[in-house]
Amino acid sequence: AQKVTQAQTEISVVEKEDVTLDCVYETRDTTYYLFWYKQPPSGELVFLIRRNSFDEQNEISGRYSWNFQKSTSSFNFTITASQVVDSAVYFCALTSNSGGYQKVTFGIGTKLQVIP
Amino acid sequence: DTGVSQNPRHKITKRGQNVTFRCDPISEHNRLYWYRQTLGQGPEFLTYFQNEAQLEKSRLLSDRFSAERPKGSFSTLEIQRTEQGDSAMYLCASSHRTGNYEQYFGPGTRLTVT
Repeated sequence: AQKVTQAQTEISVVEKEDVTLDCVYETRDTTYYLFWYKQPPSGELVFLIRRNSFDEQNEISGRYSWNFQKSTSSFNFTITASQVVDSAVYFCALTSNSGGYQKVTFGIGTKLQVIP
Repeated sequence: DTGVSQNPRHKITKRGQNVTFRCDPISEHNRLYWYRQTLGQGPEFLTYFQNEAQLEKSRLLSDRFSAERPKGSFSTLEIQRTEQGDSAMYLCASSHRTGNYEQYFGPGTRLTVT
């Protein structure tokens, strides 16, 4: 069975602060993919990043960075110098070879509110 | 490239009625997925198509639910004899067979059963 845990249900930060969203996953498979999606108030899920289980390199994209650590089964997401437009619900998700990489398991999401 | 589109965006129906939703995937994507999302939860997988073949169905998909993708392009999700517990956002996603498994989502259809 697969499981994704996002322990932080809601986070509020003041604009320009850095914020880290935590994600812990469980899977018995050795090959898997992890994702982060953003769901703004409009409702449409927006794909942010994919990481496969063999690539533990951290990634930075503008103000976004991701820290993947297999040893702790975590895939955390940091927003640097947060902006009001970052306010959204962020989902961490997982798919693996036992599901043919098609069935994606999502966490419950972390609602981020950036206060101006 | 146009994204995934879904119609209608909102649907209000009375308990016991049937409803049908439509999803048009990104044109070159051969894989199509349906998810259900309730308030405060992440999306939950319902079913998946590769071309016109329905390859997996979640146990969440009761016998009142049926999904089709007759020509391997758009898909429909029908709910018969709706119940109040069916109220949710129904999300459609698509992916490319040569992609790296990321799925691209549509805006969803919000169903309210009164």
